[in-house]
Amino acid sequence: DIVMTQSPDSLAVSLGERATINCKSSQSVFSTSNNKNFLAWYQQKPGQPPKLLFYGASTRESGVPDRFSGSESGTDFTLTISSLQAEDVAVYYCHQYSTLPHTFGQGTKLEIK
Amino acid sequence: QVQLVQSGAEVKKPGASVRVSCKASGHTFTSYYIHWVRQAPGEGLEWMAIINPTGGSTTYAQKFRDRVILTRDTSTSTVYLELSSLRSEDTAVYYCAAYSSRWYPWGQGTLVTVSS
Repeated sequence: DIVMTQSPDSLAVSLGERATINCKSSQSVFSTSNNKNFLAWYQQKPGQPPKLLFYGASTRESGVPDRFSGSESGTDFTLTISSLQAEDVAVYYCHQYSTLPHTFGQGTKLEIK
Repeated sequence: QVQLVQSGAEVKKPGASVRVSCKASGHTFTSYYIHWVRQAPGEGLEWMAIINPTGGSTTYAQKFRDRVILTRDTSTSTVYLELSSLRSEDTAVYYCAAYSSRWYPWGQGTLVTVSS
């Protein structure tokens, strides 16, 4: 199985500051047929299902604010929030859907400092 | 785009089985692969299984292979997850999610509580 490792496990950032969450896959999640990494990012708030932020590592889901960005370099993936807002407090997960079984990172809890 | 609506919460005793439904609307049912993911209280996300609604083929995570069955009813655009031999560790929220070249919003989740 592909292991997805997120860092850090938790993060406290001041309002208006940048937040960066990393995710590393134990092997490639790149699809040669689609020429994309099969990597998604989700935001989850208490009592809610995960909300899709990005798929294909960097394709922003409709309605997601542009302060959120996704980037990729080999097997390293990054979710960046350029200017943290109060409503961004949540747990964030990366998800590889290149190979079955799909696997998720352990989650990163983002809080306000 | 597809919308997924799941059945309501369940309380089961250890050793029992549970069936959770996931009804799709808004697009052609057979266009999407349906995945199931669960989340135990306070824990992360765990992928369980996938079904291709077109032919009904399934793939299960090794951990659940002997206890889970996915079926679908194309006439009602519904996918069912059945989990047997329930134990307390199966207490979790179970989500369905649809994929067709991209991910779509997940179902709202179904809480399954296993308690004697």
